[in-house]
Amino acid sequence: DAGITQSPRHKVTETGTPVTLRCHQTENHRYMYWYRQDPGHGLRLIHYSYGVKDTDKGEVSDGYSVSRSKTEDFLLTLESATSSQTSVYFCATVAGDFPGAEQFFGPGTRLTVL
Amino acid sequence: AQSVAQPEDQVNVAEGNPLTVKCTYSVSGNPYLFWYVQYPNRGLQFLLKYITGDNLVKGSYGFEAEFNKSQTSFHLKKPSALVSDSALYFCAVSPPGYSSASKIIFGSGTRLSIRP
Repeated sequence: DAGITQSPRHKVTETGTPVTLRCHQTENHRYMYWYRQDPGHGLRLIHYSYGVKDTDKGEVSDGYSVSRSKTEDFLLTLESATSSQTSVYFCATVAGDFPGAEQFFGPGTRLTVL
Repeated sequence: AQSVAQPEDQVNVAEGNPLTVKCTYSVSGNPYLFWYVQYPNRGLQFLLKYITGDNLVKGSYGFEAEFNKSQTSFHLKKPSALVSDSALYFCAVSPPGYSSASKIIFGSGTRLSIRP
């Protein structure tokens, strides 16, 4: 998985609790992304980062926040988890900012909100 | 609105037969096109991409894809399927003019099942 790890790999939590997912990369890639994968929807972009402390919203950002204090770490936080946020979350990076750069994905975090 | 469609949720093929996984897109201009594969409990892995040039693109594990501009399609193909090809396949499109992957649109995925 191209030097990308995600933690935890599985988490079960209750509605209303805060949750933080971590993505760690060893490739020194500038761009990092958080996606959620749901049946019938493919992957949808939540937030992305184009450098340390530089982040922007994706297609489905409501209810999520991110932080990037170091090149290698990109955190996704659910401030108050809801059942609709039950999903599989993937982190991804790209090697460079050039047209058609392919993405590298982490192994995913399966989150269940009860 | 820009979109990507994978019209088949599932494709079933016998081992040794050719396989095709379909993808069509609606993006203005000349997009960048990708195929990714996801094995169980794993993240997506890059298979191949079309940027420009030859319409037939070759990728990993013997897969290839044909870009057809007039039909706005980018179908994934393999001449002889293997049981190990069974996985979830995603088509993705990046609109032209954007170098950041933040604009990539993923299809909903097609589950490929190869029977022995």
